[in-house]
Amino acid sequence: AQSVTQLGSHVSVSEGALVLLRCNYSSSVPPYLFWYVQYPNQGLQLLLKYTTGATLVKGINGFEAEFKKSETSFHLTKPSAHMSDAAEYFCAVSDLVTSGSRLTFGEGTQLTVNP
Amino acid sequence: DVKVTQSSRYLVKRTGEKVFLECVQDMDHENMFWYRQDPGLGLRLIYFSYDVKMKEKGDIPEGYSVSREKKERFSLILESASTNQTSMYLCASSFLFWTGDHEQYFGPGTRLTVT
Repeated sequence: AQSVTQLGSHVSVSEGALVLLRCNYSSSVPPYLFWYVQYPNQGLQLLLKYTTGATLVKGINGFEAEFKKSETSFHLTKPSAHMSDAAEYFCAVSDLVTSGSRLTFGEGTQLTVNP
Repeated sequence: DVKVTQSSRYLVKRTGEKVFLECVQDMDHENMFWYRQDPGLGLRLIYFSYDVKMKEKGDIPEGYSVSREKKERFSLILESASTNQTSMYLCASSFLFWTGDHEQYFGPGTRLTVT
């Protein structure tokens, strides 16, 4: 079975600092990986996704993530945090063999950006 | 832009009431999903549907049922609401996995309170 672990349920950074949100996955076959963002009282919005090909994926709002198969990781980064980045972030995994269209989500990381 | 709409943003119901949550998508997606979101537990899949009149149980189907009579509409039904069903409910839709682009698009959520 697939699983996703997001290290750190809460991460706090200063405005302008590097954002690093960690995601490790477990999958027995090549995974599809996603990062979603959720602003207060809203649904989830796709930030970026990895399917095949280039392992460094760029998304919206200046975020990017790198798929590292050897480390089973898909960490999300942004070079310089902005106040508007404060939100909850979810990592998710699927594969075409065991889960089809279903996504398995991590428990989420709440990002706080301090002025 | 993909649009997923949910019938209510906030809903307050009494214990024992029958509750209908409706979701409509406008992207001709085959898949539709219902999740509940609770603090510290992330997103948990209740039911999903990959075609009209088809449904599959997710991870926590107990106490819920679903209906999909039209491709664009997916309803979640709480036959007899209980206080432990107080939660945020999120609807999502996606193409079938073999298209490659099977990321899920989410509605804004319905915050249900059962008193």
